[in-house]
Amino acid sequence: QKEVEQNSGPLSVPEGAIASLNCTYSDRGSQSFFWYRQYSGKSPELIMSIYSNGDKEDGRFTAQLNKASQYVSLLIRDSQPSDSATYLCAGHTGNQFYFGTGTSLTVIP
Amino acid sequence: DAEITQSPRHKITETGRQVTLACHQTWNHNNMFWYRQDLGHGLRLIHYSYGVQDTNKGEVSDGYSVSRSNTEDLPLTLESAASSQTSVYFCASSREFAGGADTQYFGPGTRLTVL
Repeated sequence: QKEVEQNSGPLSVPEGAIASLNCTYSDRGSQSFFWYRQYSGKSPELIMSIYSNGDKEDGRFTAQLNKASQYVSLLIRDSQPSDSATYLCAGHTGNQFYFGTGTSLTVIP
Repeated sequence: DAEITQSPRHKITETGRQVTLACHQTWNHNNMFWYRQDLGHGLRLIHYSYGVQDTNKGEVSDGYSVSRSNTEDLPLTLESAASSQTSVYFCASSREFAGGADTQYFGPGTRLTVL
């Protein structure tokens, strides 16, 4: 069973701080990982994808992948109240995606 | 603009009835997926398709069926709705993979209540 584990939170950070979201995965064969943001009552939307070990930056977002430790993280710099949402970590193996249960983030103004 | 749509957006039905949820994408993607999302379980894969006439069971396929007669549509049918199938259903699509994963694009979701 392929699994992605996330801390469900809630995680609260003050506006302007760095929010750190983490997940671990069970399938060493997984090659690709994704972070989705989901606002309440809405569908998931892609924030970042990462395929290689190391860091990948896109604006205020940085994804980190460590395949040896089977660990994926998402850093959100200069957090804004609009970043308040649930963040889903997903892995990909064999044309299928498998998702964690999500971490709820609240950015306090 | 290309998009993925679902209908209906909200549905209330009774136990035992057959229900079909529609999913239509204009991305021209080969791969389409159906998920359900419940509190504490995240997104769970119901069925998926890699192309016309291809369908595969996912993690929670019991009580559900799909058919793929064209590239754009993957309707999800609940053969005999049960209260345990009350959930939010998301359809998603992605391109054919070529050595790496492509992005999944999600529809807006259908909230189904089975009474």
